[in-house]
Amino acid sequence: AQSVTQLDSQVPVFEEAPVELRCNYSSSVSVYLFWYVQYPNQGLQLLLKYLSGSTLVKGINGFEAEFNKSQTSFHLRKPSVHISDTAEYFCAVAQPSNSGNTPLVFGKGTRLSVIA
Amino acid sequence: KAGVTQTPRYLIKTRGQQVTLSCSPISGHRSVSWYQQTPGQGLQFLFEYFSETQRNKGNFPGRFSGRQFSNSRSEMNVSTLELGDSALYLCASSLAPGRWDTQYFGPGTRLTVL
Repeated sequence: AQSVTQLDSQVPVFEEAPVELRCNYSSSVSVYLFWYVQYPNQGLQLLLKYLSGSTLVKGINGFEAEFNKSQTSFHLRKPSVHISDTAEYFCAVAQPSNSGNTPLVFGKGTRLSVIA
Repeated sequence: KAGVTQTPRYLIKTRGQQVTLSCSPISGHRSVSWYQQTPGQGLQFLFEYFSETQRNKGNFPGRFSGRQFSNSRSEMNVSTLELGDSALYLCASSLAPGRWDTQYFGPGTRLTVL
């Protein structure tokens, strides 16, 4: 079964500084990868996804992630963070199959705190 | 287009009671998945429904059950509540099973068991 490791449970960063949130998944022949953001008292919002094609994926709010198959990683990056980016970020993986019924597996989350 | 709606948003119950949570998917979405989110265990998959049939089930005891109606709305039920069932329960809808690229989450129902 797939598993996801988010290496940092908390990441503090100053406003306008760059940030990278790390995500590694267990090896598989092919995977779909996702990053979600969760603001306090809200559900999950999809930031970006990798299904196939270009390994550099651009998402909403200026975030991007790079799929690295050899390192089984899908790290999330933003060149300049804002106070409003303070939230919890979740990496998730799914393994495509003919039946399409493999559920998403989530990492434990990384709490990003942007400091003014 | 309206998003995924979940009712109620907040719920307080006592041990031993049972509870039913409701989820209305995005119009046109036929697959509904449920997740439990706790600080200790993170996000865990409960089950998925499509065409009124349970397609997949996570590793939860039989006290957790669900169903889906012909209009794709879904309910989940937890019987004989335990303190450890306190969590945020998230519902997500998608066009079909495996279409995670179309999956949207609701705001969740915060269940507190006293």
